[in-house]
Order: sequence, then structure tokens, then C-alpha cells
Amino acid sequence: DAGITQSPRHKVTETGTPVTLRCHQTENHRYMYWYRQDPGHGLRLIHYSYGVKDTDKGEVSDGYSVSRSKTEDFLLTLESATSSQTSVYFCAISGTAQDEKLFFGSGTQLSVL
Amino acid sequence: EDQVTQSPEALRLQEGESSSLNCSYTVSGLRGLFWYRQDPGKGPEFLFTLYSAGEEKEKERLKATLTKKESFLHITAPKPEDSATYLCAVQEAGANNLFFGTGTRLTVIP
Repeated sequence: DAGITQSPRHKVTETGTPVTLRCHQTENHRYMYWYRQDPGHGLRLIHYSYGVKDTDKGEVSDGYSVSRSKTEDFLLTLESATSSQTSVYFCAISGTAQDEKLFFGSGTQLSVL
Repeated sequence: EDQVTQSPEALRLQEGESSSLNCSYTVSGLRGLFWYRQDPGKGPEFLFTLYSAGEEKEKERLKATLTKKESFLHITAPKPEDSATYLCAVQEAGANNLFFGTGTRLTVIP
């Protein structure tokens, strides 16, 4: 998976608890993305980063925050998890914004009960 | 309104039976159209990028083509290992992200 590690791979949590998902890359790519994948929907962008401390919202950012303090790490936080955030979360990286050839991690299956 | 529509949702083929997957899009200005392959429990894997109508790309048994409103992924003489979900995504001119379709789940039966 092109030097991308997501952790944890699986998580079960309760409604209202905070959750942080981690994405770590060893490719030194500038751009990092968080997507969610749900049945009946295509992959949808949550947030993305175009450099250390530089982030922006995607199309489904409500209820999520991100942080990027180092080039290699991009964290996704659900401040207060809800059942609607049960999903598979994918991290992706790319070298440039012009060439949106993304390399994806293996995903995190999150269940919010 | 969906910007990317893929059809069919699922396709079962006999080994060696060629077919095509369709991806239609409605973005006003296309910067690029992308095809990915996704195996169960894994992240999508990049296959092709197409930028302009008339462009074609090939990789082994796969060939992707692009028109002004749709793209086709042609699978020639498929093998069971080609079984996967194939995702199409488009990047609109001036946008920073991709819009993905819901995919076509391909099963190739030996």
C-alpha cells in the first residue's frame, strides 16, 4: 500500500466518545486525504492536507477534525462519535494536487454503537 | 445530483468472456478521469488516468477509453483474478478533490 499505514484497522466505540484515527506515510508526499466509504455512496472526501498544518474541508467534513503536525502523520478525530459515522475510513496520499493519482491505505473499519 | 454514475452495479462473467464497464460523468470541465481497482478489505489501487476525449490507456487485459461524457473500461478475456470492484473518479477543473462513483463489482467465474 505504497508505504501507508492506518491504525487501528478495526475499532468499535460507543456514541458520544471521541475517536482518533491515524494515517502514517513513509513516501514524503505532500498531500494527504481522509475519505469514508459507505454502501451506496462513492468514496467521499472528509478533509485533506496540502502540507504541515495546512488542511481544508472536503464534502462531508461535519463532525470531523484533522491535524497534521508532521509530514508523515495525518490524524482524523471524531470529537463525539455518532452512529452515522460508522463507516470504512481510508487515508490516501499524492505527490501533487494536479496529478490526483492517489495511493490508499488499507482502511479502518469503525463501528459506532 | 450524482456527478459520476457507474453501470452495471454488478457483473458476472465467465472466464474469457469480454465485456465493458461504463462510467458517465456530468462535471462541466474535466481535469481528469481515474479508474481504480478495489479488492475486498483493501484500499483502491490506481489503474489509469485519462485527460481528454479520445484518449486510451491499456494495462494487461484492461483498456480504458474516454469520451466527452463517459468512459469505458474494457476487459478482454478476463481471468478469475480480475474479480474486484472497479471504481471511476473524476476531477473537475479547478477542484482539489476527486468525485467517486459507487463502483462495478466484477466477478469472473472459472
